[in-house]
Amino acid sequence: AQTVTQSQPEMSVQEAETVTLSCTYDTSESDYYLFWYKQPPSRQMILVIRQEAYKQQNATENRFSVNFQKAAKSFSLKISDSQLGDAAMYFCAYRSPFWIQGAQKLVFGQGTRLTINP
Amino acid sequence: DGGITQSPKYLFRKEGQNVTLSCEQNLNHDAMYWYRQDPGQGLRLIYYSQIVNDFQKGDIAEGYSVSREKKESFPLTVTSAQKNPTAFYLCASWTGQGNQPQHFGDGTRLSIL
Repeated sequence: AQTVTQSQPEMSVQEAETVTLSCTYDTSESDYYLFWYKQPPSRQMILVIRQEAYKQQNATENRFSVNFQKAAKSFSLKISDSQLGDAAMYFCAYRSPFWIQGAQKLVFGQGTRLTINP
Repeated sequence: DGGITQSPKYLFRKEGQNVTLSCEQNLNHDAMYWYRQDPGQGLRLIYYSQIVNDFQKGDIAEGYSVSREKKESFPLTVTSAQKNPTAFYLCASWTGQGNQPQHFGDGTRLSIL
């Protein structure tokens, strides 16, 4: 079964600086989908960014970008110019390709709590 | 705007009582999901449904039941068999397309009186 590991339970960063959150996953597939979600204190789950494994180019959404290392099975999230509103729990998630049993489910990591210091 | 509506936002249960959490979506998504989240923890899948009148157990289905009579609705019942129901419950939906994310509701906080 696929697993997703976020090795940093907590991270902190100074406002306006850059922080990188780690995520590794285990799969034998060559095609799959990866997501980062943000859960602020309001507890809403908000999509931050997504990546399709067949795309070599790293996804970018404004201040958020990923470093997708397919061979290393690594999918880290970089937040540039950190803002107070970025404080949240961040979850990495994996989805198998459609031909794999269980592809309809997301496999989540345990999350990284990010604190922004003013 | 399309989205997922969960109600109520807060719910209290007495010992031995069943309670039902509502989840409605107007995104025309085929698949729907229920997750449980304990404080400081990740999401655990309770049940999911890919089509109307069909659903599958997730990782922690014991003490819970669901129905999917309409595409838009996927209510979750927390039964008296669930001995530790205090948690935050999230409902989600998905189009069925691999590169699309799951969309989430705002959640229901269930507490035991």
